Amino acid sequence: KNQVEQSPQSLIILEGKNCTLQCNYTVSPFSNLRWYKQDTGRGPVSLTIMTFSENTKSNGRYTATLDADTKQSSLHITASQLSDSASYICVVSARGNNRLAFGKGNQVVVIP
Amino acid sequence: DARVTQTPRHKVTEMGQEVTMRCQPILGHNTVFWYRQTMMQGLELLAYFRNRAPLDDSGMPKDRFSAEMPDATLATLKIQPSEPRDSAVYFCASGPGNYGYTFGSGTRLTVV
Repeated sequence: KNQVEQSPQSLIILEGKNCTLQCNYTVSPFSNLRWYKQDTGRGPVSLTIMTFSENTKSNGRYTATLDADTKQSSLHITASQLSDSASYICVVSARGNNRLAFGKGNQVVVIP
Repeated sequence: DARVTQTPRHKVTEMGQEVTMRCQPILGHNTVFWYRQTMMQGLELLAYFRNRAPLDDSGMPKDRFSAEMPDATLATLKIQPSEPRDSAVYFCASGPGNYGYTFGSGTRLTVV
């Protein structure tokens, strides 16, 4: 079973609307959680990174939340733009080693 | 902006041929990763290095894959002999330890 599960697998939203992506993980002991954005044909680009003590972190219209007790994170996109169409990947790092556990990504398509 | 450079961007080769992919990590980054991404599996860790020493290559098929860092500015991933199931996008990522990795744009490998 994958240590990082993301939902929904894919979604289509209208330009200007908001959306929220979910990430549940089982990685332990927890070190940090990152959200990456991957455009088609490109490498993943870091959006946010949160450690155990951080509950929320923003990067422009992207806001990530973390509940380390329930092992859940979300990425909220506000006022979506066409350029937000991408795959959003949740990555969790365990304390004590450099191994990263990757989710399979949330595929977001923004339509005009 | 500092970035991770991967070459080639695209490679088409015949089954049985040797393939070498190269990565130039960001100057000063002491941790380098190789990942493979497919539609079915998402991102999978193949190998990673710290200070040029291989720390984990358990995700790599050892009979045909090899990863090396001949110096701090170059990481290579070699497949010999290549097989159609190796077709994927191969990403290199580098970072200053266990926080904040930067991905390259990837090498799209097609083995026919």
